[in-house]
Amino acid sequence: GAGVSQTPSNKVTEKGKYVELRCDPISGHTALYWYRQSLGQGPEFLIYFQGTGAADDSGLPNDRFFAVRPEGSVSTLKIQRTERGDSAVYLCASREYGQQSSGANVLTFGAGSRLTVL
Amino acid sequence: DAKTTQPNSMESNEEEPVHLPCNHSTISGTDYIHWYRQLPSQGPEYVIHGLTSNVNNRMASLAIAEDRKSSTLILHRATLRDAAVYYCILRNSGGSNYKLTFGKGTLLTVNP
Repeated sequence: GAGVSQTPSNKVTEKGKYVELRCDPISGHTALYWYRQSLGQGPEFLIYFQGTGAADDSGLPNDRFFAVRPEGSVSTLKIQRTERGDSAVYLCASREYGQQSSGANVLTFGAGSRLTVL
Repeated sequence: DAKTTQPNSMESNEEEPVHLPCNHSTISGTDYIHWYRQLPSQGPEYVIHGLTSNVNNRMASLAIAEDRKSSTLILHRATLRDAAVYYCILRNSGGSNYKLTFGKGTLLTVNP
């Protein structure tokens, strides 16, 4: 597709429920990132995929958060037993393979999925 | 990643130039300077990046101090569509260079 697509754009759920957020990266982009953005803050890194594997999941806040990318394209961020503090905009970004070595490292972001936990 | 310091907010008038400053006094020789911006209700978008020399592209110019401890993003003629949060980010060329660490950025308001 032309850009990074994220669904749903808005999700309202109740405390304790399970949530899945989907990211469709730009076709051919092998690197995929998830970030989380709270109100008034910059995006906060969660996890990075190179292909199918999570190369760095150091930003996941706890074991309620999990992300997969089984075929190296679409990724799903999964949040179990949601808490009110999980309310935020979840951003996905993708990047072309090998670009980081040139210094560019241009990430293309989606518009985000706004999660509200009541 | 080395830390950057930006003003919380700035104001500009439409069709006037805007100079957005960024201090990065602890920058290392292999750190690239990246700028992204985030329009309301959008994800961040890439603006420009540089290492040592000044850079120009269709969106903006990046002026890098000779000692590299600061840089300035220049919008030559601000439009209302340039109202956004602007992030200055350092990215090392080695190690964990795959990820960008965002600060709070500068909120730019453009007055008509």
